[in-house]
Amino acid sequence: GQQLNQSPQSMFIQEGEDVSMNCTSSSIFNTWLWYKQDPGEGPVLLIALYKAGELTSNGRLTAQFGITRKDSFLNISASIPSDVGIYFCAGFLYGGSQGNLIFGKGTKLSVKP
Amino acid sequence: DSGVTQTPKHLITATGQRVTLRCSPRSGDLSVYWYQQSLDQGLQFLIQYYNGEERAKGNILERFSAQQFPDLHSELNLSSLELGDSALYFCASSVVLSPDTGELFFGEGSRLTVL
Repeated sequence: GQQLNQSPQSMFIQEGEDVSMNCTSSSIFNTWLWYKQDPGEGPVLLIALYKAGELTSNGRLTAQFGITRKDSFLNISASIPSDVGIYFCAGFLYGGSQGNLIFGKGTKLSVKP
Repeated sequence: DSGVTQTPKHLITATGQRVTLRCSPRSGDLSVYWYQQSLDQGLQFLIQYYNGEERAKGNILERFSAQQFPDLHSELNLSSLELGDSALYFCASSVVLSPDTGELFFGEGSRLTVL
C-alpha cells in the first residue's frame, strides 16, 4: 500500500530558529495535510493543501504541495516553545486501496529554551 | 477541546481478553474514524463509519470490529488481545464524508496496555 516517508524523525532547535520538515511518497496524492499532536492529546489540523504547487500559510507555518504531487513540506518560522510536539503529514488519494488518509510517522520537534 | 470524547482514557488488560473502546463524535459529525498509534508506527487507519454505515476499511485485524450506533457514537471492539495490540487508539470525527474535504477532529485517545 501507499507509504509516506517523513523526515526528519526528530529535531532539536534553538528558540527563534526556522524549522523545515518534509514528506515524500512513491504515490501521487490528491490532497496533503499537516497535523500537529501535542503531548497527551490527539492530532490537530494545521494546514490543508489541495492543488499541486499550492503554497499556503497559517501564521508562522508555511506548507507546499509539491508539483509532482508526491511530496510536501512544512516550514515553521521563528520557533517558540509551544511548537514542541509531533508533526504528521497526511496524504489522501481518491479511490486509493485504503480509501482514506495515509499518515507519515511524524517529526518530533523539541525546542531548547 | 476537540469535542470528541473517548472512554476509557487508560485500560490495562491481559492477553486473550476483550475490550471495548467508546467514542462520542462532535455534535453534528456523521463520520467517525478509528486510528491506532503505536510507537514508531505513526497513525494507522483502521476503519471509518459514516451515518451508521461502514465507509472505508484500513489495516484492521479480524480480531477487531467496530460499529456506529443510531446516535452516532461508535465502539471499537478488540478481542483475543495480544501484547502487540498495546497502543493508543484514536477516534476522530468529521461532518463530511471524505477526510480530505473537511477537518478531522481527534479525541484524546484511549491508551491500551496488554500484559
